Amino acid sequence: DAKTTQPPSMDCAEGRAANLPCNHSTISGNEYVYWYRQIHSQGPQYIIHGLKNNETNEMASLIITEDRKSSTLILPHATLRDTAVYYCIAQETSGSRLTFGEGTQLTVNP
Amino acid sequence: ETGVTQTPRHLVMGMTNKKSLKCEQHLGHNAMYWYKQSAKKPLELMFVYNFKEQTENNSVPSRFSPECPNSSHLFLHLHTLQPEDSALYLCASSQVGPREQYFGPGTRLTVT
Repeated sequence: DAKTTQPPSMDCAEGRAANLPCNHSTISGNEYVYWYRQIHSQGPQYIIHGLKNNETNEMASLIITEDRKSSTLILPHATLRDTAVYYCIAQETSGSRLTFGEGTQLTVNP
Repeated sequence: ETGVTQTPRHLVMGMTNKKSLKCEQHLGHNAMYWYKQSAKKPLELMFVYNFKEQTENNSVPSRFSPECPNSSHLFLHLHTLQPEDSALYLCASSQVGPREQYFGPGTRLTVT
């Protein structure tokens, strides 16, 4: 699986958009970009995934660059409950293995 | 979120004890996973089961023994553990393949 690089921490004001970047410069054509988050001491929660196109669901939007070497997760209106560690993971289309890194600790401030 | 449940939520055991962790999924999935999360470390994949068959053992010591009797249930049998095995043990399920995984709340294990 491609290695992903994320900033260790970010802050965001409540009600503003949170933009979490992820670099995956070695991603291959058969790897999806998945995003999960983990609120303190709970199980990780699936957020969104994509291959080439931008994706949006009720939780977030995922913007993938045209060369697929980086992506951005957007939480359009961050709330205090969005404070969590956010993981960006590259997952092969042929397998089910998820390799978690350190992620980004997002802190939403009032 | 009750799609994946784990019991017990907390467990304290001595190094000579034998205990089991239980995971149950109510999502109709056919793949199940065990992960370990030690303090201040990333989640580590331990085992993968697809259609009740173990397809991946990530070099896990034999003192951890998984069992998958059917697609809805997954167990992790523990014996003669070490203090460094203290961690949050997470179960997840998905459809087989590169699909989103749904995690349980985890079992916080302390080995004394």
